[in-house]
Amino acid sequence: EVQLLESGGGLVQPGGSLRLSCAASGFSFSFYGLHWVRQAPGKGLEWLSSIGGSGGRTYYADSVRGRFTISRDNSKNTLYLQMNSLRAEDTAIYYCAKDPTKVADYYFDYWGQGTLVTVSS
Amino acid sequence: EIVLTQSPGTLSLSPGERATLSCRASQSVSSNFLAWYQQKPGQAPRLLIYGASSRATGVPDRFSGSGSGTDFTLTISRLEPEDFAVYYCQQYGSSPRTFGPGTKVEIK
Repeated sequence: EVQLLESGGGLVQPGGSLRLSCAASGFSFSFYGLHWVRQAPGKGLEWLSSIGGSGGRTYYADSVRGRFTISRDNSKNTLYLQMNSLRAEDTAIYYCAKDPTKVADYYFDYWGQGTLVTVSS
Repeated sequence: EIVLTQSPGTLSLSPGERATLSCRASQSVSSNFLAWYQQKPGQAPRLLIYGASSRATGVPDRFSGSGSGTDFTLTISRLEPEDFAVYYCQQYGSSPRTFGPGTKVEIK
């Protein structure tokens, strides 16, 4: 059974940093691309970033490019999102999601339960 | 960037009725790379349909997807109590991936 478990969310001040983690199990981790998607309170879904199975290719939405960095440790079956220069509008539930392919170019076939990030002073 | 518009915003129906949800793209979706997700309150989204019409693993056959180019439809043939939720379409044919704003299917 595919499982994705996010952690690392919490309250952070504007301008601060946070690193999210997503621990994966139930599939051959390095064979699949992974993504981060967020959902502001009461709002819709926003794709943020993707990474290929080998970690060599990364992609970002304009809203986070230059502030967020996606990475993965295939030896630990874990996906990360380093978030810097956080703003109030970054307040959201952050989901990690799995791609059905290695290239992280497709849809999201499995999702974690999400971790809440609140940016506020 | 492809903008997705979903209609209606809210659909009020009774169990057993048929639900028809629309997703319209601002430009043609390459290779009909369009997915549909279901989200219930307090839960993560769940993949229902990919490639416009292929059901994901474990999705009941009362859910079906159709369409091509710029116009796509998710149909729920007979609503079950557990189907009342928000449904999002998403295109992955071009970068950046984008989602529609969602359609809420509520109990009438």
